[in-house]
Amino acid sequence: AAGVIQSPRHLIKEKRETATLKCYPIPRHDTVYWYQQGPGQDPQFLISFYEKMQSDKGSIPDRFSAQQFSDYHSELNMSSLELGDSALYFCASSLRGRDRPSERTQYFGPGTRLLVL
Amino acid sequence: AQSVTQPDIHITVSEGASLELRCNYSYGATPYLFWYVQSPGQGLQLLLKYFSGDTLVQGIKGFEAEFKRSQSSFNLRKPSVHWSDAAEYFCAVPRLSSNTGKLIFGQGTTLQVKP
Repeated sequence: AAGVIQSPRHLIKEKRETATLKCYPIPRHDTVYWYQQGPGQDPQFLISFYEKMQSDKGSIPDRFSAQQFSDYHSELNMSSLELGDSALYFCASSLRGRDRPSERTQYFGPGTRLLVL
Repeated sequence: AQSVTQPDIHITVSEGASLELRCNYSYGATPYLFWYVQSPGQGLQLLLKYFSGDTLVQGIKGFEAEFKRSQSSFNLRKPSVHWSDAAEYFCAVPRLSSNTGKLIFGQGTTLQVKP
C-alpha cells in the first residue's frame, strides 16, 4: 500500500539558511500534519492543513511557514535556520471523511532529518 | 489538560520473553488511544489503536494492548519479544480540543532486546 512520502530524507544546512521540506500524503488523504521531533524527544505538533487551508497550529516558529497544494502535497518552509531547528520532521496524513477529529488515524512518513550547522 | 505518560524511559528484555509497556492518560471521558513504533532512523509506524468496543485490541507484529478505564491505562503487550522489536514506542492521544485531532505523544519507551 502507498505510504506517506517525504523528501528529502536528509538535509544539511548552515545557520541562517532556508530549507523546504516536502510531503506527499497517502492517495485520497485530504489532511496533512507536520510534527517536529528533537533529539531524544517525543514528536511535537507544528501545523496541519485540510483542503489547502490551515486547520490547526501548534508550536511553530514564525520563521516557519507551510502550505498545502491542490494535489494535497504540502511543503514546510523554514527560514533563518537556527542550530535548535536540527530535528526529525515528520509529515502525517489522514482522511477526514465523516469521522470526528479524534477518530482520524494519522499515518506517518519516514521523516526528514535536518541538521543545521 | 490532556497528557500521556509513559513511566518507563528504557526497558530491556531478553529475546523470547514477554513484554509490557505502560501508558497512562489523563482525561475523564473515554479517549482514543494509539501506539506507534519508531525503529532507529525510521518513521513512526502505527501498531494499533483503540476507539471503542472491545478493550483488548490486536495490532501488527503480534502486539496487543488493553484499555483499562479504571486505571486510565493502555498498556502494550507482546508474549514473546523478537530482536527486531528493539525500537522506541510511543503512546499517543488526539487532543480533544483540536478540530484536527493532532496527537499528543508520551515521552516514549526505548526497548532493548538482549540475545
